[in-house]
Amino acid sequence: GEDVEQSLFLSVREGDSSVINCTYTDSSSTYLYWYKQEPGAGLQLLTYIFSNMDMKQDQRLTVLLNKKDKHLSLRIADTQTGDSAIYFCAERNTGFQKLVFGTGTRLLVSP
Amino acid sequence: EAGVTQFPSHSVIEKGQTVTLRCDPISGHDNLYWYRRVMGKEIKFLLHFVKESKQDESGMPNNRFLAERTGGTYSTLKVQPAELEDSGVYFCASSQALTGLYEQYFGPGTRLTVT
Repeated sequence: GEDVEQSLFLSVREGDSSVINCTYTDSSSTYLYWYKQEPGAGLQLLTYIFSNMDMKQDQRLTVLLNKKDKHLSLRIADTQTGDSAIYFCAERNTGFQKLVFGTGTRLLVSP
Repeated sequence: EAGVTQFPSHSVIEKGQTVTLRCDPISGHDNLYWYRRVMGKEIKFLLHFVKESKQDESGMPNNRFLAERTGGTYSTLKVQPAELEDSGVYFCASSQALTGLYEQYFGPGTRLTVT
């Protein structure tokens, strides 16, 4: 079955890089997403990667995908206090539209 | 462009009562989804509408949950009768099928507390 796992907490200092990790079990996942949830707000799509890609970079965000190990990571360069939020990894299979989410990683950025 | 809106933002009800949650998707979005996050766990899919039709309701937990989308615009999710384990945050999302990405735009959620 589908299962997506993430670590629950990550604490970094402002200016450092943050790396949030995610593992998934479904080898037929086609799209993998990173969502951000700030307090009191809905989920905001940060970035995504297709399963035939290894890496995607978008400004301060870098997504790495290791299909063999079913491991996805999100690196945030020069982390700022405004990056403090919950980050959710999600996957979707071709032919289905439902997203399968992980538990979310709470990122705390201290000054 | 207005985003996905949900009402109410919070609801506190007693076990056995009925609650109806409402979601207004982004105008023109045919796809509407319901998800929920219970007790800080993962966000779980409940169901998916394409216009007014239920495309996938594989995530609906039991027959106490009823979702409707009359006219293919807004959607309601009714829980009757509510149980303690129904407490959580209910998210609605919508998407337009312009690309295979089906980017889902989420609302702020309704926090439901059943006491």
